[in-house]
Amino acid sequence: AQSVSQHNHHVILSEAASLELGCNYSYGGTVNLFWYVQYPGQHLQLLLKYFSGDPLVKGIKGFEAEFIKSKFSFNLRKPSVQWSDTAEYFCAVIRMDSSYKLIFGSGTRLLVRP
Amino acid sequence: DAGITQSPRHKVTETGTPVTLRCHQTENHRYMYWYRQDPGHGLRLIHYSYGVKDTDKGEVSDGYSVSRSKTEDFLLTLESATSSQTSVYFCAITGGDTQYFGPGTRLTVL
Repeated sequence: AQSVSQHNHHVILSEAASLELGCNYSYGGTVNLFWYVQYPGQHLQLLLKYFSGDPLVKGIKGFEAEFIKSKFSFNLRKPSVQWSDTAEYFCAVIRMDSSYKLIFGSGTRLLVRP
Repeated sequence: DAGITQSPRHKVTETGTPVTLRCHQTENHRYMYWYRQDPGHGLRLIHYSYGVKDTDKGEVSDGYSVSRSKTEDFLLTLESATSSQTSVYFCAITGGDTQYFGPGTRLTVL
């Protein structure tokens, strides 16, 4: 079965530290890739997405992600985190033959200490 | 904001009670989805709809049913709630190949 793996379940950083969250998926066909963020008590918001083209995509709030097809990976990065980045981050994949059904990773909780 | 509302936002009910959650969209999107969110599992798809009266099962559909009689409304029903259905439920729509999520309903089954 198709799956999405997020290897870091909890990450704690100090402000200004760099962030990289890993995401790997198992499906070999054409996919669209997403990162969503969920701030405490809120719903999911789209951070960025990759459909095609330049594998380095930039999203909101200084986040970016790189799609590496050979590694089935779509890692999220931010050069310098802020306290306001404290949230849970979800990687998700849509198979292009699947009625737009998203498959989510289990999430990474990020805590940024001031 | 994708124009999605969910009601109720919070509900506490007892085991064995039927419960219906409502998702309403204002954007006339064809695809609508129900997910549940549980710690350590991310979001898991319960059911989805690809048009009025057209629905299909997701990954965790047991114990849930859905209905879509109008484009704008997608209802999720727990026929007989169980404690394992305590969760946060999110509705979503697809617009431009991207899914957008509603504010969520926190359901507690005692």
